[in-house]
Amino acid sequence: ETGVTQSPTHLIKTRGQQVTLRCSSQSGHNTVSWYQQALGQGPQFIFQYYREEENGRGNFPPRFSGLQFPNYSSELNVNALELDDSALYLCASSADRLEPQHFGDGTRLSIL
Amino acid sequence: QQQVKQSPQSLIVQKGGISIINCAYENTAFDYFPWYQQFPGKGPALLIAIRPDVSEKKEGRFTISFNKSAKQFSLHIMDSQPGDSATYFCAASKSEHSGAGSYQLTFGKGTKLSVIP
Repeated sequence: ETGVTQSPTHLIKTRGQQVTLRCSSQSGHNTVSWYQQALGQGPQFIFQYYREEENGRGNFPPRFSGLQFPNYSSELNVNALELDDSALYLCASSADRLEPQHFGDGTRLSIL
Repeated sequence: QQQVKQSPQSLIVQKGGISIINCAYENTAFDYFPWYQQFPGKGPALLIAIRPDVSEKKEGRFTISFNKSAKQFSLHIMDSQPGDSATYFCAASKSEHSGAGSYQLTFGKGTKLSVIP
């Protein structure tokens, strides 16, 4: 059984640019959540997608947007990158909204 | 507002000892409390989780104790091993079927555990 996979593993961008991060959910999982983990902190919830629809959003500005595809894979898009966006971005999938969330190893985003 | 407070920030335990990490929450609507283990360069891995209908859950060397009235829960690692050295996160979520905030995990700030031989 393949777990949650994220790409790319590392990314370097400059301020003002845009970035797209990708996540393949675990087989059979229909729910994907995205989290931002700053260095030395716990993950912070960005948003969740359930069966291709947004199902909740954390305290992040609209320049953070997402998408879930029919195969339940997902994208996180961030526009107008800021220095504070430097973090590990984690994707988690679950078999349903009530089921445990399983995380990928994340994408390390560095903003110069 | 930090909804889940975790302590201690760091912990050093002798091999074979008991590691204890504590968390307190504020939102009484929380009804799912997982613990995650994270190694450097890796994503968090689900260790064990509990719902408020039980006061304790044990899986191998890992035990969650839950005190609903005090709004506290803790992770006990028995017979701690050097391979347990990692950062541990408690988290909480609520399982409402509608409305904002359903199912999202709110994490503590983490505890860095070092188990020395």
